[in-house]
Amino acid sequence: QQQVKQSPQSLIVQKGGIPIINCAYENTAFDYFPWYQQFPGKGPALLIAIRPDVSEKKEGRFTISFNKSAKQFSLHIMDSQPGDSATYFCAAKWMGGSEKLVFGKGTKLTVNP
Amino acid sequence: SAVISQKPSRDICQRGTSLTIQCQVDSQVTMMFWYRQQPGQSLTLIATANQGSEATYESGFVIDKFPISRPNLTFSTLTVSNMSPEDSSIYLCSVTGTRSYNEQFFGPGTRLTVL
Repeated sequence: QQQVKQSPQSLIVQKGGIPIINCAYENTAFDYFPWYQQFPGKGPALLIAIRPDVSEKKEGRFTISFNKSAKQFSLHIMDSQPGDSATYFCAAKWMGGSEKLVFGKGTKLTVNP
Repeated sequence: SAVISQKPSRDICQRGTSLTIQCQVDSQVTMMFWYRQQPGQSLTLIATANQGSEATYESGFVIDKFPISRPNLTFSTLTVSNMSPEDSSIYLCSVTGTRSYNEQFFGPGTRLTVL
């Protein structure tokens, strides 16, 4: 049973656009939600993370929006650049549990020049 | 974040053989994990490598197929045993952060192809 549903599967935007990637979770015990960025041939890199006590977190051009009641969170990339072209994974875990991360299926983002 | 290295970075192996993947961290970490990422797919946790005790395996993964060692707080190995083409994947080591226990960082991965 997939516990974190991610959409869309792929996304193409023009340079300067604001791609939005969405994730929904089922387990209400989840209380830590990171996003990872993965370039081809590399391991995933932690991009930004949020806890459910805040509704938004910004780090540079990356913003997470969190809706606890809807059990949804999303990643927004402001002023996207061709170098942002990568696969993005959302994840979730229960900090009081086994530290196990549950990943979404990933979104392949392409930013055209 | 910790610097994580994996060896080998890639390998091509014959069916029925075994490969041991090493994960080295530049600082002591509490928890280490092994993930599998099949081509174009998401990450699936194989097991948690526990220092000084047996690894904790996820559903669908067994010790006979994926034996894991963790002799100290900076090193772990994953062996893929009796390989078949279905084992062709990227195998990733991950560790919890030293600054924040919640953060998890990944190594560069080992790309395995089984013929």
